[in-house]
Amino acid sequence: ETGVTQTPRHLVMGMTNKKSLKCEQHLGHNAMYWYKQSAKKPLELMFVYSLEERVENNSVPSRFSPECPNSSHLFLHLHTLQPEDSALYLCASSQQTGRNEKLFFGSGTQLSVL
Amino acid sequence: GENVEQHPSTLSVQEGDSAVIKCTYSDSASNYFPWYKQELGKGPQLIIDIRSNVGEKKDQRIAVTLNKTAKHFSLHITETQPEDSAVYFCAASLPAGNTPLVFGKGTRLSVIA
Repeated sequence: ETGVTQTPRHLVMGMTNKKSLKCEQHLGHNAMYWYKQSAKKPLELMFVYSLEERVENNSVPSRFSPECPNSSHLFLHLHTLQPEDSALYLCASSQQTGRNEKLFFGSGTQLSVL
Repeated sequence: GENVEQHPSTLSVQEGDSAVIKCTYSDSASNYFPWYKQELGKGPQLIIDIRSNVGEKKDQRIAVTLNKTAKHFSLHITETQPEDSAVYFCAASLPAGNTPLVFGKGTRLSVIA
């Protein structure tokens, strides 16, 4: 148990659906992240939040919309996704952003877009 | 920006043998090099890290070495066990501001009993 919990573990959705991924951390960290993990590709950073403020947005399509209501919770809202968006979506947290911080990952949500 | 290359992509070793995974980075200003292990169905977990002011770090059966001149770093696992089977990721980070980690593509290690 890493202290970072993601739900759901698996999600299948059609291209016209709207769904949300949820992440919760119990570590008292101030920074939270969304990563995309696709087969045979490096982990791709999508969004970074520090103290509930978005500090990084790595040119992610607008069909992905993050929300960070407080420092313990992070959401990723999904709408009109494409089949190429199928991947494992990982949430992570760290004490602070930058400064070579250690990341604590959740187990991920395996997303399939049909 | 920083680019990290990782080799090999897959590695099979007999139980008890050693395993070595190598990474190279492009930006000489990078100063932090962690290694993450991802088991099936789980997210990556940090197993060891090294900063640019040291050349080697050990933690029981795992060790990491860093060659700043050549811009490469390696993970060494000795006396491998079946539970070492996983995907291993190296990463590199620049020292300034909110710079995120740049990850390699991963190495799938299989330890054969």
